[in-house]
Amino acid sequence: SSVLTQPPSVSVAPGKTARITCGGNNIGSNSVHWYQQKPGQAPVLVMYYHSDRPSGIPERFSGSNSGNTATLTISRVEAGDEADYYCQLWDTSSDRWVFGGGTKLTVL
Amino acid sequence: QVQLRESGPGLVKPSETLSLTCTVSGYSIRSGYYWGWIRQPPGKGLEWIGSMYHSGSTYSTPSLRSRLTISLDTSKNQVSLKLSSVTAADTAVYYCASFYCGGDCYSGYFDNWGQGTLVTVSS
Repeated sequence: SSVLTQPPSVSVAPGKTARITCGGNNIGSNSVHWYQQKPGQAPVLVMYYHSDRPSGIPERFSGSNSGNTATLTISRVEAGDEADYYCQLWDTSSDRWVFGGGTKLTVL
Repeated sequence: QVQLRESGPGLVKPSETLSLTCTVSGYSIRSGYYWGWIRQPPGKGLEWIGSMYHSGSTYSTPSLRSRLTISLDTSKNQVSLKLSSVTAADTAVYYCASFYCGGDCYSGYFDNWGQGTLVTVSS
């Protein structure tokens, strides 16, 4: 099991806002990164340093990180956003980079 | 744009050594960057395996450290992974990725990924 806790699934209607959380002890003091993985494809970085977007990632994607929860927010959700999303950071207790268990985003 | 492509046997027998190569294009690995390996068992999440800097320094996940070797071949612009004494639990899609450190590698992230290669451990 991961030290980062993500909900297994999130469902949202098209055009609405999806919020995917990543929980961890005092995660707000760490740099958190997010990846999108569509079926049969490699992960793609969609957010780094919890709120910076790589080039090519729509402004609909945003991020925040405070306390024990980091959040990836996707506004005006589209069918093409349907994917698994993973958070990632360095875990000092286990001396390794870790990923959350992943959240499957379903667009209704 | 950095591009990565993994290659290697798709089937490895238990107790043998898994060997994969990642060919990097669009960037010279001797110029910098960390180069990492991540794996994903079928139907499961991502697991970081290890990373290596162009200078030779390496990091690896503690649970695999005793079986793992990561190396760079700057003449071929390739990153290699060797995992010894494999079992069925090592069956996974293996990804090669570039890892951006910035000023603090503990805050780094994987910014470019290969397409991945499935390795099955079975007799």
